[in-house]
Amino acid sequence: EAEVAQSPRYKITEKSQAVAFWCDPISGHATLYWYRQILGQGPELLVQFQDESVVDDSQLPKDRFSAERLKGVDSTLKIQPAELGDSAMYLCASSFRQGSTYNEQFFGPGTRLTVL
Amino acid sequence: AQSVTQLDSQVPVFEEAPVELRCNYSSSVSVYLFWYVQYPNQGLQLLLKYLSGSTLVESINGFEAEFNKSQTSFHLRKPSVHISDTAEYFCAVSAVYGSNSGNTPLVFGKGTRLSVIA
Repeated sequence: EAEVAQSPRYKITEKSQAVAFWCDPISGHATLYWYRQILGQGPELLVQFQDESVVDDSQLPKDRFSAERLKGVDSTLKIQPAELGDSAMYLCASSFRQGSTYNEQFFGPGTRLTVL
Repeated sequence: AQSVTQLDSQVPVFEEAPVELRCNYSSSVSVYLFWYVQYPNQGLQLLLKYLSGSTLVESINGFEAEFNKSQTSFHLRKPSVHISDTAEYFCAVSAVYGSNSGNTPLVFGKGTRLSVIA
């Protein structure tokens, strides 16, 4: 069964360091999402891609976060510099295509980031 | 904008007892409604969804949820829980508008931790 892959699964870093997370969506899925889930909260959207284009990054803290999906397939989310408040689970999800028909979002296992 | 309120952060229940996890939402446009389940250190799995049609939707493992438009609610129920149902449950909505209703982001509640006691 096809799955969304994420790496690393766990990352521990010190504040002010740079970190990067990788996501490989299900093959053929044109839409990709990055969500952040702080402990005890529900996930919140950081950025949405349609192919290689950003659809929505209104909640992405652009002074320190960046996201790219250069070839419209896999994606990288970067934080530089990391802050203590960035400790969270970072979830990647993908869905088939944009359009009026509902497309289920499939979630990866997430990357748990701890900033010391 | 949309918002989701899950009224209970934790729900302990004995095995084989019934359970209801409550969810209310707010939105200025029509929404799709979802329940997701999350096991420790794992991603989210779709449990069930309401898109249109019958307001009562069911999952393959015995959960059901009913969409109540007048009360803007989508409560999750199971008549008899098992130990394996212990997990975090998230209610979510996504906006339905225009030609891109199929891929609007999910807006989640804060989650309800269901603990099933033997």
